[in-house]
Amino acid sequence: EAQVTQNPRYLITVTGKKLTVTCSQNMNHEYMSWYRQDPGLGLRQIYYSMNVEVTDKGDVPEGYKVSRKEKRNFPLILESPSPNQTSLYFCASSLIRFANTGELFFGEGSRLTVL
Amino acid sequence: GQQVMQIPQYQHVQEGEDFTTYCNSSTTLSNIQWYKQRPGGHPVFLIQLVKSGEVKKQKRLTFQFGEAKKNSSLHITATQTTDVGTYFCAGNYGGSQGNLIFGKGTKLSVKP
Repeated sequence: EAQVTQNPRYLITVTGKKLTVTCSQNMNHEYMSWYRQDPGLGLRQIYYSMNVEVTDKGDVPEGYKVSRKEKRNFPLILESPSPNQTSLYFCASSLIRFANTGELFFGEGSRLTVL
Repeated sequence: GQQVMQIPQYQHVQEGEDFTTYCNSSTTLSNIQWYKQRPGGHPVFLIQLVKSGEVKKQKRLTFQFGEAKKNSSLHITATQTTDVGTYFCAGNYGGSQGNLIFGKGTKLSVKP
């Protein structure tokens, strides 16, 4: 089944404790992206990757890191989480080989709470 | 930076009534996408509009892209309880997937 898998789905952590949210897709998509969703603010892009070893900042990259060592994986790293990073996070992927833009496939989401 | 304004923020309708959400950009878009997010779920792609003045239909849903490619709308005819959720538009600036900017969404509730 074609899907984007995120882990963990739910996490409560404390300020300053490094964490990684994993994202994996099995559709051989070149493009992957991370969004955070907050009430009243919609979906805001954190980082995106057009292909392996190619990453770029989105609208709200501060406090986050990403890497794209393999095509299928795009982990989101919070080196020193703070309470303002409490949010619902979505990973998404897209096939862009034949067109510059295409349908985004989203993961189920990861709800992160930083105390 | 670029912004896509989406209105209204909330819409409450009686089942059977129509619903419309609008997206506006101050600058020309390469294309626009629409997504639906059910309560507790993740966004799901509905459609992409590319051409000026384009109109596409999916059953009771009608999507339009303005002539100037600066605005778009989603219209649902005779809403059903299954239409409940938040509808997002996502405008693309510059033609690259990385330039996709989401509107803040319209949350639709349908009273049976």
